[in-house]
Amino acid sequence: GEDVEQSLFLSVREGDSSVINCTYTDSSSTYLYWYKQEPGAGLQLLTYIFSNMDMKQDQRLTVLLNKKDKHLSLRIADTQTGDSAIYFCAESDSYSGAGSYQLTFGKGTKLSVIP
Amino acid sequence: DTAVSQTPKYLVTQMGNDKSIKCEQNLGHDTMYWYKQDSKKFLKIMFSYNNKELIINETVPNRFSPKSPDKAHLNLHINSLELGDSAVYFCASSKGREKETQYFGPGTRLLVL
Repeated sequence: GEDVEQSLFLSVREGDSSVINCTYTDSSSTYLYWYKQEPGAGLQLLTYIFSNMDMKQDQRLTVLLNKKDKHLSLRIADTQTGDSAIYFCAESDSYSGAGSYQLTFGKGTKLSVIP
Repeated sequence: DTAVSQTPKYLVTQMGNDKSIKCEQNLGHDTMYWYKQDSKKFLKIMFSYNNKELIINETVPNRFSPKSPDKAHLNLHINSLELGDSAVYFCASSKGREKETQYFGPGTRLLVL
């Protein structure tokens, strides 16, 4: 079945860049997502990339996709303490019919930003 | 304005009780979902509905029964609650046509004692 893998923890100093990595197994994935979950809060969609793109930049966020290696990364420039959260990689693969897509999530990477 | 809302935000209840969680979206989306996030933060899909029709029904105990009175609402009823049902339940919605992006609600934190 589909699988999405992420490292569980990442610690960076404030002002440095953070790079969160994700690998996935399903080559038929059409969209790949990054969600952010702050403590005690819901899931916030950060960004997504369509599978025919290599890179997407959105302000401090850069998403890189290596489709050959099935590797996705999220780079956060100038990381701030407010970026401390769990970041989930997700792939949208299974089309279940009638406009319903199943998201498969990684286990999340907990980013800790040291002041 | 809230896009995807859930009530209640917190729910503490005794084992064996029956409870419901409600979800509403004002995005005009056609598809709605329920996900479960366990204590280790693993997120798994439970159900999805498109225009009030059940599409995805993962391996979930039949104590869980989703109901969609209209395409803007998807409720989750749980019978005979068990300790293992303690989790955060997230509702999500998507347009269900060209775009697959799913927007999530704030979650309902269920604790079964």
